[in-house]
Amino acid sequence: QKEVEQDPGPLSVPEGAIVSLNCTYSNSAFQYFMWYRQYSRKGPELLMYTYSSGNKEDGRFTAQVDKSSKYISLFIRDSQPSDSATYLCAMKGGRDDKIIFGKGTRLHILP
Amino acid sequence: EADIYQTPRYLVIGTGKKITLECSQTMGHDKMYWYQQDPGMELHLIHYSYGVNSTEKGDLSSESTVSRIRTEHFPLTLESARPSHTSQYLCASSDRLKAYTDTQYFGPGTRLTVL
Repeated sequence: QKEVEQDPGPLSVPEGAIVSLNCTYSNSAFQYFMWYRQYSRKGPELLMYTYSSGNKEDGRFTAQVDKSSKYISLFIRDSQPSDSATYLCAMKGGRDDKIIFGKGTRLHILP
Repeated sequence: EADIYQTPRYLVIGTGKKITLECSQTMGHDKMYWYQQDPGMELHLIHYSYGVNSTEKGDLSSESTVSRIRTEHFPLTLESARPSHTSQYLCASSDRLKAYTDTQYFGPGTRLTVL
């Protein structure tokens, strides 16, 4: 079993819809959870990070962590065509300093 | 936008050639990383460095080598390129003093094709 599982998509939704992106993980030592956005031909850029369980909101983006279920989510409200990208979840924790990335979900927002 | 640069952006080269992928950052970050990314696959850490004269191998076995002689510079070298090295290579850096959040800033990547 991989440490981080993420559906690669692609996920296509109409403009204005609420998007839900998810990852599951197996390592209960993970404490820090991140979402990166990667546009085509670019490097990933950090969107949000959260520590432990709970929600964090930043504009149209909400990150949610449920450690009991080992499940994290990123919600995008009022989705825009400019949100079309690949979204990678990432996490770290415990004694290992390294960040573990999911495969990424390709998202297409249809105008 | 993060101040981390990679050159070249695209490289097509023949088998057996020696290549060096350049990565530089102007943020003064101590920690730097090289990842390999194939389409639809996870980023795999191949090398990292905690500072000058520090280099470590990552989780993914790689035939490449790295050096860290200056804080801002972290080049990756392939002594003899092979078609199996065809991939996207991403460089990243982070601030050691913010180790808990470890926000990694990525460069734009080098897309390498070995014929």
